[in-house]
Amino acid sequence: AQSVTQLDSQVPVFEEAPVELRCNYSSSVSVYLFWYVQYPNQGLQLLLKYLSGSTLVESINGFEAEFNKSQTSFHLRKPSVHISDTAEYFCAVSDSGNFNKFYFGSGTKLNVKP
Amino acid sequence: DTGVSQNPRHKITKRGQNVTFRCDPISEHNRLYWYRQTLGQGPEFLTYFQNEAQLEKSRLLSDRFSAERPKGSFSTLEIQRTEQGDSAMYLCASTRGSNQPQHFGDGTRLSIL
Repeated sequence: AQSVTQLDSQVPVFEEAPVELRCNYSSSVSVYLFWYVQYPNQGLQLLLKYLSGSTLVESINGFEAEFNKSQTSFHLRKPSVHISDTAEYFCAVSDSGNFNKFYFGSGTKLNVKP
Repeated sequence: DTGVSQNPRHKITKRGQNVTFRCDPISEHNRLYWYRQTLGQGPEFLTYFQNEAQLEKSRLLSDRFSAERPKGSFSTLEIQRTEQGDSAMYLCASTRGSNQPQHFGDGTRLSIL
């Protein structure tokens, strides 16, 4: 079975500073990887995904994540954060052979301060 | 697309009562998932439908929980004899097949008094 670890439950950062949210996974098979963002009292919105190909994936709002197979990581980064990025971020994994369910990490709350 | 719709958004009920939630997936999405999210945790998988067939159920889904998707479109999740521990956000997601990310609804927040 797969599992996902997000070591940082909260990350405070000042506006315009860079940020990295860490995600490590464990799996015995090839995986697909995702980052979702959740605003208060809302569902999860897809931020970006890795299915295959280039290990660096980007979102339309400046986030990027890099799949590192040897370190089993998929860390999320943004070079300059905005107040509006304040939300909870979830890393998720599903196995490539049985795309039936996602395993989510426990989430990282990003708090961007002015 | 109009997105995944869940109703009600909030449900408050007394312990021991039965509750039912509804999920309308994105049209043409044949796969539908239910998750449960408790405070401070990520969503946990409950069950999965492909069209009308329920193909997988988590051990988290006790005998008091039942889910249906009778015509392969909307789905319902029923909890019988609710308990305090059932308080959570119940999320529904849909996708149209393999290699596609799941699209989530805004969830139903259940509070047990």
